[in-house]
Amino acid sequence: GQNIDQPTEMTATEGAIVQINCTYQTSGFNGLFWYQQHAGEAPTFLSYNVLDGLEEKGRFSSFLSRSKGYSYLLLKELQMKDSASYLCAAPFSGGYNKLIFGAGTRLAVHP
Amino acid sequence: GAVVSQHPSRVICKSGTSVKIECRSLDFQATTMFWYRQFPKKSLMLMATSNEGSKATYEQGVEKDKFLINHASLTLSTLTVTSAHPEDSSFYICSARAEGRDEQYFGPGTRLTVT
Repeated sequence: GQNIDQPTEMTATEGAIVQINCTYQTSGFNGLFWYQQHAGEAPTFLSYNVLDGLEEKGRFSSFLSRSKGYSYLLLKELQMKDSASYLCAAPFSGGYNKLIFGAGTRLAVHP
Repeated sequence: GAVVSQHPSRVICKSGTSVKIECRSLDFQATTMFWYRQFPKKSLMLMATSNEGSKATYEQGVEKDKFLINHASLTLSTLTVTSAHPEDSSFYICSARAEGRDEQYFGPGTRLTVT
């Protein structure tokens, strides 16, 4: 079956570093996505990991361990505008690569 | 690149009427488009997958006669909510994916309120 788990809520301080974890179980792995979604808006693409390891994109980095079914999104030098939901998603191998989303982690950044 | 638009952004309609939502990929050809529904503080729920020129594939529990999907071209898909009821009020989001690519790009969403 398909299952994606991530924490419901996290809080962090402006300027700090936060790590948002995601564990997944999918039948046939095709990569793992991270999206950012501000309240009332559509998700925006952050990263896509297919191979193990850390990929860095500015203040955001994403890590994947396929053997452990584990990924994390690392946000550095947090800014107030980073307050949003972060969605972990994995393609479902049953045709068309539709995405199965986790419930999302609501991150609150405070001064 | 990879811009997806949705129209309208907000719509209020009366119970029993039908509403059409358009999803367009503006700068790429989308062989596959997806329609999601999202309730407040909840994650996205996939409703259906549509491929250009073929019938949409609906997820379990989604009524295909109520949520009509048409993917007439490589840049346009439409979702029509027929005979809308207050429980259909939700945030509807489309996404599009280009052939050979894995990532999906989302439209800005449509907030539907049925009174």
